[in-house]
Amino acid sequence: DSGVTQTPKHLITATGQRVTLRCSPRSGDLSVYWYQQSLDQGLQFLIQYYNGEERAKGNILERFSAQQFPDLHSELNLSSLELGDSALYFCASSSRTSGKPDTQYFGPGTRLTVL
Amino acid sequence: AQSVTQLGSHVSVSEGALVLLRCNYSSSVPPYLFWYVQYPNQGLQLLLKYTSAATLVKGINGFEAEFKKSETSFHLTKPSAHMSDAAEYFCAVKDQGGKLIFGQGTELSVKP
Repeated sequence: DSGVTQTPKHLITATGQRVTLRCSPRSGDLSVYWYQQSLDQGLQFLIQYYNGEERAKGNILERFSAQQFPDLHSELNLSSLELGDSALYFCASSSRTSGKPDTQYFGPGTRLTVL
Repeated sequence: AQSVTQLGSHVSVSEGALVLLRCNYSSSVPPYLFWYVQYPNQGLQLLLKYTSAATLVKGINGFEAEFKKSETSFHLTKPSAHMSDAAEYFCAVKDQGGKLIFGQGTELSVKP
C-alpha cells in the first residue's frame, strides 16, 4: 500500500459526459501528479500541483482540468468525454516539487471506460 | 528533452533464469532514473532509483540496476526469476520540472 488513495476504482460513463476523479496523497506529501495510461500512448504526464498551485502541465487536453485543495487532496475533471479518453488514470504524490530525486508514490488508479 | 527507451516490449524467461530488462535514457543533465513495476490491475510500485550516489542500485524483490553513463543505460536485472515476477516494468527519468517520463514498458513473462 503506497498510502495514496484514488476513488473511484472504476468508472463507466457515456460520451459527452463529465466525471471527477479524486486523489488523496500520502500524509505529508505536498506534490500531486496526474498520469494517464492508455494502450496507444503509454504512461503520460498530465499535470502537477504543489501545495495548491499548478506547477507543470503535460499533454493535458483543454477538456481536462484539475485542482488541489487546501487539505491537499486533488481532483481531475474530465469533460465532454470521448471514446479515446478511456484509460487508467493514476495519481502520484511526493514530498518535493523538483530538483531532487524524491520518489513519486502511485495510487491504484481509476479505470475510466467511455461508452 | 529527456527520454527513455525500453528495448523489448515483451521478455519471456524460465523460472530460475536471469532477468534482464533494458533501458536507455537521453538526458542533457545528470539523470534521476527509476524502475517501477505494475502488477495486473494495480498501480505502479517503485523497485529502485538512481540518484547519483552509487552506480549499482539495489531494489526490492532481489532486483538491481546499474547506471552506465558511457552507454546511457540503466538496465534492470535479477539473478533468478520467480513466477511472482511476472508483471510490466517501466523505466522512467525525472525531468527538471519534477515529472516522470516513462518508457513504453516491458512485459515480463516467467515460464515454469
